[in-house]
Amino acid sequence: GESVGLHLPTLSVQEGDNSIINCAYSNSASDYFIWYKQESGKGPQFIIDIRSNMDKRQGQRVTVLLNKTVKHLSLQIAATQPGDSAVYFCAEKPSGYSTLTFGKGTMLLVSP
Amino acid sequence: KAGVTQTPRYLIKTRGQQVTLSCSPISGHRSVSWYQQTPGQGLQFLFEYFSETQRNKGNFPGRFSGRQFSNSRSEMNVSTLELGDSALYLCASSLQGSNYGYTFGSGTRLTVV
Repeated sequence: GESVGLHLPTLSVQEGDNSIINCAYSNSASDYFIWYKQESGKGPQFIIDIRSNMDKRQGQRVTVLLNKTVKHLSLQIAATQPGDSAVYFCAEKPSGYSTLTFGKGTMLLVSP
Repeated sequence: KAGVTQTPRYLIKTRGQQVTLSCSPISGHRSVSWYQQTPGQGLQFLFEYFSETQRNKGNFPGRFSGRQFSNSRSEMNVSTLELGDSALYLCASSLQGSNYGYTFGSGTRLTVV
């Protein structure tokens, strides 16, 4: 498949480890945030979202943390598996708008 | 239910030609957004349509245009193609385009030669 990004920050972990992927967002007026996973040759796949009135949200094996004070978002993946290997993007949506602004992405490599 | 469908999956065009890409959103979704993805620039917003009206537009030249039909299907057109237009073009649909999950299609890989 085609590469979705060159020179992306890369996080390499061992299978079974917990992974933390970080994202600094740009707009203090953003009220909705999404994490996407993109595998080679595919479109971004929704993982989890969070609204600005929350600071933590949990899904299956994933947790998103939002720190509005420092405009920081993180995605925690528990017990990382080789199938989690992909590029992960955070996206923000400013209040009153309906478009997403994406971060540059982080490549997660999980070795067995 | 069916996801977001983009056609064609791959396209090769010559500089100066024009191209039309198609996106069928999830049934019931009325908002369709288009993004361009390149290795250098990442994912960049092109435009968003809601109920056949362009609601937002990104910072792209006028060669990039789009439209939405009454059944919410959307097309985007790029005229006078340039080599730099080579990219993965992604379409995302959502219920209303506001604080709801945006679901992406697999994209159309456009190569301009």
